[in-house]
Amino acid sequence: EAGVTQSPTHLIKTRGQQVTLRCSPISGHTSVYWYQQALGLGLQFLLWYDEGEERNRGNFPPRFSGRQFPNYSSELNVNALELEDSALYLCASSLARASYNEQFFGPGTRLTVL
Amino acid sequence: QKEVEQDPGPLSVPEGAIVSLNCTYSNSAFQYFMWYRQYSRKGPELLMYTYSSGNKEDGRFTAQVDKSSKYISLFIRDSQPSDSATYLCAMSKGGYNKLIFGAGTRLAVHP
Repeated sequence: EAGVTQSPTHLIKTRGQQVTLRCSPISGHTSVYWYQQALGLGLQFLLWYDEGEERNRGNFPPRFSGRQFPNYSSELNVNALELEDSALYLCASSLARASYNEQFFGPGTRLTVL
Repeated sequence: QKEVEQDPGPLSVPEGAIVSLNCTYSNSAFQYFMWYRQYSRKGPELLMYTYSSGNKEDGRFTAQVDKSSKYISLFIRDSQPSDSATYLCAMSKGGYNKLIFGAGTRLAVHP
């Protein structure tokens, strides 16, 4: 069974640009979570999508946004990139009705903002 | 104060040692407690989860939760060089709630 996949693997952008990251969940999973892992800061929750709806949002500015498609894949968009957005962006998926929402992570997209 | 505190290490131990990793937390609403392992340049993978207080054992790994002290631990017996990774604790109120992660502890097991 294929795991969570993310694309691209690496990305280099400059300040002020916009970026779109993509995630495909495990087959059968309807929930997708996005996390930011910046150096020294651990994983910070960004967004949670379930059944096409945004269910929860972390403490990030509105220039971080996303969506979930009917096939449950998801995109994370970051506008007006800043240097501090450089991080590993991780996507995770879970069965929405799991009792403890076990989340399975993808390998991440490493974003560098110059 | 962060909701979840975890010593980032690094922790260096010889092969065969018993490793103890710990997290403390402040939110008494947390019900589910997890340990993830993350190898360099990879996504985290779930090692163990525990609901509420108690112990759980899986092979060389034992997870402990003490809700009265708001303290969780992961013990690794007979540590191997392949255990060298970053270990992240995570917690959730359950249901559809987000996971709150600790900063992660870097572990190096040397032969």
